[in-house]
Amino acid sequence: DQQVKQNSPSLSVQEGRISILNCDYTNSMFDYFLWYKKYPAEGPTFLISISSIKDKNEDGRFTVFLNKSAKHLSLHIVPSQPGDSAVYFCAAMRRSNDYKLSFGAGTTVTVRA
Amino acid sequence: GAGVSQSPSNKVTEKGKDVELRCDPISGHTALYWYRQSLGQGLEFLIYFQGNSAPDKSGLPSDRFSAERTGGSVSTLTIQRTQQEDSAVYLCASSLALIGTSGRAGGELFFGEGSRLTVL
Repeated sequence: DQQVKQNSPSLSVQEGRISILNCDYTNSMFDYFLWYKKYPAEGPTFLISISSIKDKNEDGRFTVFLNKSAKHLSLHIVPSQPGDSAVYFCAAMRRSNDYKLSFGAGTTVTVRA
Repeated sequence: GAGVSQSPSNKVTEKGKDVELRCDPISGHTALYWYRQSLGQGLEFLIYFQGNSAPDKSGLPSDRFSAERTGGSVSTLTIQRTQQEDSAVYLCASSLALIGTSGRAGGELFFGEGSRLTVL
C-alpha cells in the first residue's frame, strides 16, 4: 500500500526555469516530510525537509511547500541547473515514534541546456 | 571511505540460489536500515538495527529473507532460494542514532550506493 505517491515519473525543464515536483500522501499521521536526490549509481542523499507545523521551507534554490489539508507537498527548484538532473524521492515519517520512512516512486528530472 | 559501503554492487543469480548482500555503515552509526527499490516502485522498508538488535522484522517480505548485524557494524542481508520477484536494488542506510526518537528525522540517514540484484 503506497502511502506516498509521486504521480509524475519524469519531468523535463529548461535550464534557468522552475522545476516543480509534486507528492501526495495518504497517512494523516505523517508529521515530517523530506526530499531526497539520487544520481545514477549513487545512494539517495537528503535534500530538504519540512515539519507539519510549517507550510514552507526554503534552502537556497530549493523550496518545499506543504498543504496538510490536501495531503500534498511540492518541491520547487529555481532556477534549475544541469546538475539538478537526478531522481527526486519524496518521503514521509512520523517523527515522534517511527523509525521508517515511506518513500514515493521518484520523479526523474532532466534539465535541458 | 567515509560513507556507507555496500557489496556487491551488482549480483546476477539463478532462481533458487541463495545470495548475501553486505553493508558497512559509517563508523560510529548505531542505527542501520535496509530498504529495497523494485522497478517503478518507491523505496520499501525491510528492517532496521539498533546496535545488533533488530526489534522489528515485519518489513521483510518473506521468511526467505533474514538479516544480521555483528559488532554493531557490518550487516548482512541474506535471501534464500531467490525468486524473480526479489530482483531489486537493495539499499542500506545508517544514522548516528535511531530516527524517530528524540525528534531525530530522516535527514540524518546516509545511504549506500545499493546492491542491484537480478534473479534470472
